[in-house]
Order: sequence, then structure tokens, then C-alpha cells
Amino acid sequence: DTGVSQNPRHKITKRGQNVTFRCDPISEHNRLYWYRQTLGQGPEFLTYFQNEAQLEKSRLLSDRFSAERPKGSFSTLEIQRTEQGDSAMYLCASSWDRGYEQYFGPGTRLTVT
Amino acid sequence: EDQVTQSPEALRLQEGESSSLNCSYTVSGLRGLFWYRQDPGKGPEFLFTLYSAGEEKEKERLKATLTKKESFLHITAPKPEDSATYLCALTNYGGSQGNLIFGKGTKLSVKP
Repeated sequence: DTGVSQNPRHKITKRGQNVTFRCDPISEHNRLYWYRQTLGQGPEFLTYFQNEAQLEKSRLLSDRFSAERPKGSFSTLEIQRTEQGDSAMYLCASSWDRGYEQYFGPGTRLTVT
Repeated sequence: EDQVTQSPEALRLQEGESSSLNCSYTVSGLRGLFWYRQDPGKGPEFLFTLYSAGEEKEKERLKATLTKKESFLHITAPKPEDSATYLCALTNYGGSQGNLIFGKGTKLSVKP
């Protein structure tokens, strides 16, 4: 297994545009998490999936954010009407189950101009 | 509220100069404490999981320990390639469904 992958690695967009990121987790992992990280901070939890079910969302996840995990495989995170405050590194992680270590992908760096 | 505090924010060492990084935490019920290494522009890389006070884990020049209030990451005879940001995180038995709660990290620089 090659680990968690994310695409694109970098995305530059203009304010007001929509963007979509993709995450492919480690194949045997049931849980998939999305985090956001800004400079000088640790990652902050956004949402997570158990197989295809989205079971928890953080208060950080405004209505402009939506995530899906069809068929319990890859996941997408969409941000609508991007704002400059959305500029951050978006990280995806997967784990076998609750309480087990999470393995992170390389992240998608979003810059909103 | 569950919280993780790491110190120092930054640490500069000479090659071979051993030191420790601190992670203090408050949590309703600790399920697991995790250490990650993060290089600039990359995702965090898993290092260790600790589950109970008194537990220790080692990997090469790194050793992680856990008490009921804090965890330490000891670095013995560091090399320049150990330079990175080290992140501490925890999961709890409470309402959160296993998501990690992170500290802000300690940025380690090792000079040759």
C-alpha cells in the first residue's frame, strides 16, 4: 500500500470560486478524517467518515463546506464560494478504527486570492 | 475542554545535544496520546502511540513517555535530519468520535 494520497497538492483560486479536493485513504482503513492546518498551528478537525457515513462535523465546517465518501472508498471535500480565510493546508487521514493511529496524506495547499 | 499544550515552541540544538520536548494535556478520559513528525509542506508522519501512564516507546533516537498529565519526547544525540516540527495529539473517550486534538507543535532545529 502506498499510503494516503491527496489531489491536487496545490490549488490557487480566486475568491468566490468553488474548489474540490480528493483523498484516497489506505485501502483497509474504515475511518477517514479531514483536518485543516494554518501556519504555526496544529491540524484542526473538520469531519470524519466511518465507511460511507459522515458521523461528525466540527463547528469549523461552515455551510460552504461539504464532504462525501461514496461507497466508503475515496472522499471529496468541496468548498463553495471560497473566502481568503479558507487559505490553509487541508489534510486527510485514515485509520483502522477509533483510537488507532491515523495516517496522514501529504495535504492540499489552498491559496485564495 | 480537552486541551494539548506543547513546549517549547521552538528548540535549537547542536548535533549530539540531547533534549526533551514536553506535551501537557487536560482530558476527560485519555484514550490515546500520539506523537507525529511534520516536515515543512508535508503531512504529519506517525511516530508513537501511548495508551497508559508509565508506558514508553522507542524508535531510533526518539523515546516517548507518558504520565497522567504530560508526555515527553526525548531526543538522544540528535542529527540534522531530525529537524522538523513535532506534534502531540490525543483522543478521548468522550463525545469526539476519535478525532485527534493537536497541540501547536515544537519546531526543532538541529545544527551540525
